This record gives sequence, C-alpha cells and structure tokens, in this order.
Amino acid sequence: ETGVTQTPRHLVMGMTNKKSLKCEQHLGHNAMYWYKQSAKKPLELMFVYNFKEQTENNSVPSRFSPECPNSSHLFLHLHTLQPEDSALYLCASSPSLNTEAFFGQGTRLTVV
Amino acid sequence: EDKVVQSPLSLVVHEGDTVTLNCSYEVTNFRSLLWYKQEKKAPTFLFMLTSSGIEKKSGRLSSILDKKELSSILNITATQTGDSAIYLCAAYTSGTYKYIFGTGTRLKVLA
Repeated sequence: ETGVTQTPRHLVMGMTNKKSLKCEQHLGHNAMYWYKQSAKKPLELMFVYNFKEQTENNSVPSRFSPECPNSSHLFLHLHTLQPEDSALYLCASSPSLNTEAFFGQGTRLTVV
Repeated sequence: EDKVVQSPLSLVVHEGDTVTLNCSYEVTNFRSLLWYKQEKKAPTFLFMLTSSGIEKKSGRLSSILDKKELSSILNITATQTGDSAIYLCAAYTSGTYKYIFGTGTRLKVLA
C-alpha cells in the first residue's frame, strides 16, 4: 500500500456514459497528479494540482475533467470517451512539486 | 521536445546476474531524475537523483546520475525473480512541474 487509493480498480464504460475516477491520499501531500498509461507508451501527465489549484493541463481533451475539492482528494470525470481512451489511469501525490511522487494502483479503463 | 529514452527495452537474465539499465534525457530546466519499479500497476519509488556523481544505494539496487552525459544508470546485483518488473525513469523539469517518463525497461529474471 502506497497511501494513495484509487477507485474503481476496473471500469468498463460505453462511449455515451458518464463516470468518475476517484483518488484519495492519506500522506498529507500537497500535490496530486493524473497520469495515463497506454500500452507501449510512456506515462503521460494529464493534470497537476498543487494546494488544490490546477497548475498544469497537459493539452488534455475536454472529455476529461478533473476536480480537486481538497488536498486529499482528486477526481477525474469522464464523458463521451473514445475507445482510444482505454488505458490505465494512475493517480499520484507528492509532498510538494519537485519531490518524488507516490502512485496509486490505478484504474484500468475500457471504453466500448 | 522534452524526452527520456531508456535502454534496453527488455532484458531477460538468470537469477544471480547483475544488470545495468540505462536512462538518457533531453529536457529543458532539468531538476532531478527518478527511478520507479512497476510490477503490476502502481509504480513504486526507488531513487531520486539530483547531484551528479553521487551514488544512491538501497540493498542490491544502486543508481547514479551523470549530468554531463545527461544520463543515469540503475544497477541491480545478484538479481532475484522478484526483481522482474518494468523499471521506469523520469526526468523532472522545473517551471512546468512535469515528470517526463521513458517507456521503461522490462526486466525478466529467470529462476
């Protein structure tokens, strides 16, 4: 256990569905991240939050919408996704920016 | 464009062997380099390197950064089957708050 918990672990959704991924960290960290990991590709940074404020939106399509209500929780709201969005979505947190990040177990998302 | 390249892409060794994994980076405003081990899903943190030439060590694993060569190596001695995993390298760039990851090296250790 890394102290970063993601739910659900697996998700299958249709292209017209709306769903949300949840991430919670119990480490007292101030920065939280969403990453996407597709087969044979490097981890891609999607969003960065520092003290609940979004500091980075890495050209992510608007069908992905992050929400950070407090420093311990991070959500990724999904709607009208495409099959190519199927991937492992990893949440991470770090004490501050520029320190090592701790990852959750990820949500394996399949869009059908 | 910022990039991190890892080599080899995959490696198969036998228990007891020593392996060296390579990571090279080309990023603007480089601050630090990180190594992670990914077995099933969650990458687990191994090392963070910020200074050139200083080796970090944890058990059978060690790593060193060479800022002149823009590279880092991860050494694993006396490998065990439990070392089988994907090893990820990431470079942190200041100003953009980004960890730029490589595609990883898939290591398989045979009994």
